[in-house]
Amino acid sequence: AQSVTQLDSQVPVFEEAPVELRCNYSSSVSVYLFWYVQYPNQGLQLLLKYLSGSTLVKGINGFEAEFNKSQTSFHLRKPSVHISDTAEYFCAVSRPGAGSYQLTFGKGTKLSVIP
Amino acid sequence: GAGVSQSPSNKVTEKGKDVELRCDPISGHTALYWYRQSLGQGLEFLIYFQGNSAPDKSGLPSDRFSAERTGGSVSTLTIQRTQQEDSAVYLCASSLAGEVVYGYTFGSGTRLTVV
Repeated sequence: AQSVTQLDSQVPVFEEAPVELRCNYSSSVSVYLFWYVQYPNQGLQLLLKYLSGSTLVKGINGFEAEFNKSQTSFHLRKPSVHISDTAEYFCAVSRPGAGSYQLTFGKGTKLSVIP
Repeated sequence: GAGVSQSPSNKVTEKGKDVELRCDPISGHTALYWYRQSLGQGLEFLIYFQGNSAPDKSGLPSDRFSAERTGGSVSTLTIQRTQQEDSAVYLCASSLAGEVVYGYTFGSGTRLTVV
């Protein structure tokens, strides 16, 4: 079984500062990894995903994440945040292969950007 | 439609009443998922539909929960004899096919409050 741990439930950061949201996963097999963002009163939107290949993945809105197999991590980073990045961010994992349809989500990290 | 549509957006019901939540997926998406988002708990998988295959109901928390998908399109999640612990945001998602690599598109959710 897979699981995801998001180490920080809340992260406050000043505008234009860098941010890192941490995600660790537990799995005995290879995985697919995802980051989703949820703005207030909205559904989740895919930021980026790692399926295979390059361990550095670039997504929308200037976000990127790095897959680290040895540390079983997939941390999300942005070099300079904006007020509009205030949202909740979810890391998710899935088992690769045919028929892998279920995502297992972490509990989320609320990012608050302070003007 | 352009996105995944869920209705109602908010529902307040009395304990013991039945409720129906509706999801209208993106046209052409064969896979449909229901997740439950409880405060501070992340997203919990409930049920998965793919085409004409038997649904994966493994995430339904009790026999008070049921879901159907008519004509491979609209889905209804029914909760019978609601309890206060059923209060949550119920999110529906659809995807082009039944694999996570195609990406989920989430609706804005139905916020259910049981009083």
